[in-house]
Amino acid sequence: SQTIHQWPATLVQPVGSPLSLECTVEGTSNPNLYWYRQAAGRGLQLLFYSVGIGQISSEVPQNLSASRPQDRQFILSSKKLLLSDSGFYLCAWSGRRGDEQFFGPGTRLTVL
Amino acid sequence: AQSVTQLGSHVSVSEGALVLLRCNYSSSVPPYLFWYVQYPNQGLQLLLKYTTGATLVKGINGFEAEFKKSETSFHLTKPSAHMSDAAEYFCAVSDYNDMRFGAGTRLTVKP
Repeated sequence: SQTIHQWPATLVQPVGSPLSLECTVEGTSNPNLYWYRQAAGRGLQLLFYSVGIGQISSEVPQNLSASRPQDRQFILSSKKLLLSDSGFYLCAWSGRRGDEQFFGPGTRLTVL
Repeated sequence: AQSVTQLGSHVSVSEGALVLLRCNYSSSVPPYLFWYVQYPNQGLQLLLKYTTGATLVKGINGFEAEFKKSETSFHLTKPSAHMSDAAEYFCAVSDYNDMRFGAGTRLTVKP
């Protein structure tokens, strides 16, 4: 069966520090991968999606970036965090775009 | 482009009462429709989905939803609320290429 992992589970970082969040999927190949952010009391905001290795599409311009170095690995990064980057970050995968998505457990990021 | 509107950011019901969470969508093609549930500090979990065929869809935990094309709605119901149903619920629509989520409805269940 397929599983999706995210780490770390929680992270507290100072403003201006770098960020790296990792997501890996097991039990499937060539998944579509997604990064979402949930700010407090807000809905889901799609940040990035990827249909294959090295292929990244950005939905919202910001100081975050994403990379997909391997088929089942998706990384969210920042060179310098802002206070507004705080939130709950969710990674998800789907077998094809538009079909049901399977979500990871999330990473709670607090920028101080 | 498709979109989703969830009516009511907060819904409160008593334990044992009917749960009704409203979702309206817009789509230029016959849509796929989904309901997800999110418990605190967790990822989203699929409750049910509609793709084609029967318009009444049954999901996990006793929830069901009915696709009504004429009303562009996909409301989520459960006959009798349980304390464990307290969570955030998201409706989503897909045009087979992109999925768009609603803003979510927080369900509170009172004892």
